Amino acid sequence: QSVLTQPPSVSAAPGQKVTISCSGTSSNIGNNFVSWYQQLPGTAPKLLIYDNNKRPSGIPDRFSGSKSGTSATLGITGLQTGDEADYYCGTWDSNLSVVFGGGTKLTVL
Amino acid sequence: QLQESGPGLVKPSGTLSLTCAVSGVSVSNNNYYWGWLRQPPGKGLEWIGSIYYTGSTYYNPSLKSRVTISISTSKNQFSLKLSSVTAADTAVYYCARHIIRNNHENTWLDPWGQGTLVSVSS
Repeated sequence: QSVLTQPPSVSAAPGQKVTISCSGTSSNIGNNFVSWYQQLPGTAPKLLIYDNNKRPSGIPDRFSGSKSGTSATLGITGLQTGDEADYYCGTWDSNLSVVFGGGTKLTVL
Repeated sequence: QLQESGPGLVKPSGTLSLTCAVSGVSVSNNNYYWGWLRQPPGKGLEWIGSIYYTGSTYYNPSLKSRVTISISTSKNQFSLKLSSVTAADTAVYYCARHIIRNNHENTWLDPWGQGTLVSVSS
C-alpha cells in the first residue's frame, strides 16, 4: 500500500496527450514539492520533474508537471512509443521519509 | 555516477550489505544527501534511507530497526546494511544522490545507480 495514490495504468495513441495523477495528503504533497520519475523497462528510474514543474537538463518540454493542493499531475504530450514506461511520483512526508506512489504503467497504443 | 556492489544472494536471518561507489562528485559535497532505495520484483519503489556527509541519517520508519547506512568520505562511497532479512527483502537495490532543500520541502533523487538484485534464499 503506497502512501501516494496513482492510477495503475494509462494509455493513449502516439502523438496524443496523457496525464497521470498523484494524490496525497497535507502530510506530504500538501506541504512539499513533488518529483516524478520515469522507469523504462529493465532500467533504473530517471528524474523527469522536480519541484512540481521543473525539468532537469535533457528532459524534453513534452513532459510537464503541476500541483494543486494535495494532488499532482504529470503531463506528456506528443506521445512516442519510447515513452512506454512506469512513472512514479514522490515527495517528502511529515514522518521524515521519502514516499512514492505505486507507479503508473503508460502504454502507447 | 553511482554504482552498487555486493552479494547477490543472502540467507534468511542474515545481513544484507551493499556499497555504492560514487564518481564525478564528492560525497562530502554539502549540497547532497546520499540515499538507498529498493524495488521488489514487479512492484513499486521504496525509500530505505539517506545519509549526509556528516553521518546524519534519515531512515524509513518501517525499516529503521533493521537499517544502518554509513558513509566513507575517504573512499567516496556509502553503504547499506539491512539485518534479519527475509524473502520479503528480495529486491533490486538502488543508490541515488538525494537533494534536500528548504527544510525538506524540496526533495528529489538524481541520478540513480543501475541497481543490483539481491535475493534472500537458503
